Amino acid sequence: DVKVTQSSRYLVKRTGEKVFLECVQDMDHENMFWYRQDPGLGLRLIYFSYDVKMKEKGDIPEGYSVSREKKERFSLILESASTNQTSMYLCASSFLARGGELFFGEGSRLTVL
Amino acid sequence: QQPVQSPQAVILREGEDAVINCSSSKALYSVHWYRQKHGEAPVFLMILLKGGEQKGHEKISASFNEKKQQSSLYLTASQLSYSGTYFCGANNNDMRFGAGTRLTVKP
Repeated sequence: DVKVTQSSRYLVKRTGEKVFLECVQDMDHENMFWYRQDPGLGLRLIYFSYDVKMKEKGDIPEGYSVSREKKERFSLILESASTNQTSMYLCASSFLARGGELFFGEGSRLTVL
Repeated sequence: QQPVQSPQAVILREGEDAVINCSSSKALYSVHWYRQKHGEAPVFLMILLKGGEQKGHEKISASFNEKKQQSSLYLTASQLSYSGTYFCGANNNDMRFGAGTRLTVKP
């Protein structure tokens, strides 16, 4: 079975903390994505990556960075967490950049106090 | 740059039909449809490539009008299990999703 694993289902952090959200896929997929999900706004693309050490900004990259040192792992970093980053974060991967089905992780619900 | 979905929400009785629409301002390589149930990850339903072909999944089908960059998802004879939020995905080299359509099917 294909699997995308996000390291933490629930996190509570303080304003100003550095936060790491980890995502690992076991399908040898080239493409990985980070989305943020908020009620009424759907899934908004933060960053995506075609290959190791490659990254592209999505629609809402401000306040976030990413790291992809290995093909199977794509990390989302909040350098200094703020309350408006409280949200559900979803990681996904796909084999093809064009026309490839996305496989999602279970999500990480982050609360910033 | 997110595709636009309509309606935002729809409530059906079992056995009724529904249509969810999705439009993009950009030319697309493909359109994807996903369903997300409460507390779960989105799950892939189908993909439509350029060419206007129609695909099906059980009693759920979809079409893609490449010229208009519009796609529609057709749910026929809805079942309780169809309840959830449906997202269309606009695919080029990336994937951007609409805001979602919350579908509720009642007995």
